[in-house]
Amino acid sequence: DTAVSQTPKYLVTQMGNDKSIKCEQNLGHDTMYWYKQDSKKFLKIMFSYNNKELIINETVPNRFSPKSPDKAHLNLHINSLELGDSAVYFCASSQDRGGGIQYFGAGTRLSVL
Amino acid sequence: KNEVEQSPQNLTAQEGEFITINCSYSVGISALHWLQQHPGGGIVSLFMLSSGKKKHGRLIATINIQEKHSSLHITASHPRDSAVYICAFTGGSNYKLTFGKGTLLTVNP
Repeated sequence: DTAVSQTPKYLVTQMGNDKSIKCEQNLGHDTMYWYKQDSKKFLKIMFSYNNKELIINETVPNRFSPKSPDKAHLNLHINSLELGDSAVYFCASSQDRGGGIQYFGAGTRLSVL
Repeated sequence: KNEVEQSPQNLTAQEGEFITINCSYSVGISALHWLQQHPGGGIVSLFMLSSGKKKHGRLIATINIQEKHSSLHITASHPRDSAVYICAFTGGSNYKLTFGKGTLLTVNP
């Protein structure tokens, strides 16, 4: 049973489209995260939710909207996709918001053409 | 300047060699993390430490809080250790993870 699962694994789409990436964790954790890994493999936090409440929002364009229907799910919706959005997006979770060990999903490789 | 600096950026070793990857940070932190990213892309947390030393199998992580420095050591390296090793810290009121740029380790048989 995968602890943190993301879908889809690969996403190829045209500029201007809207797409969503889903993330689910079955670890019973309270806190979930979205990270972006750029072409130089540098990881950066985008959002974090703790028990459905947004706690970190790192100056990400408004085209990116996270949604957490419950504490086990954190989805990422992206409107009007741009070439620069091409990256690998990782979901992660941790027991709580106190900076403990994080468990990562396998990543979603987004390619915007 | 990135708040987390890793060295070296790239490291090639022969199987069996002792490996050291260094990490320096410039701010106060609550904990230091070492992560491994496999060639296939998956990310795994190896260690989280706020003082001293931790060991797991052939991997050892140390931290010197006063010098704001951490090291990851791999003893008796093996080709399956080939991966990117990423240093990161949690700090600030929201405990967000701030990452280094990673060290690409290649262990040749």
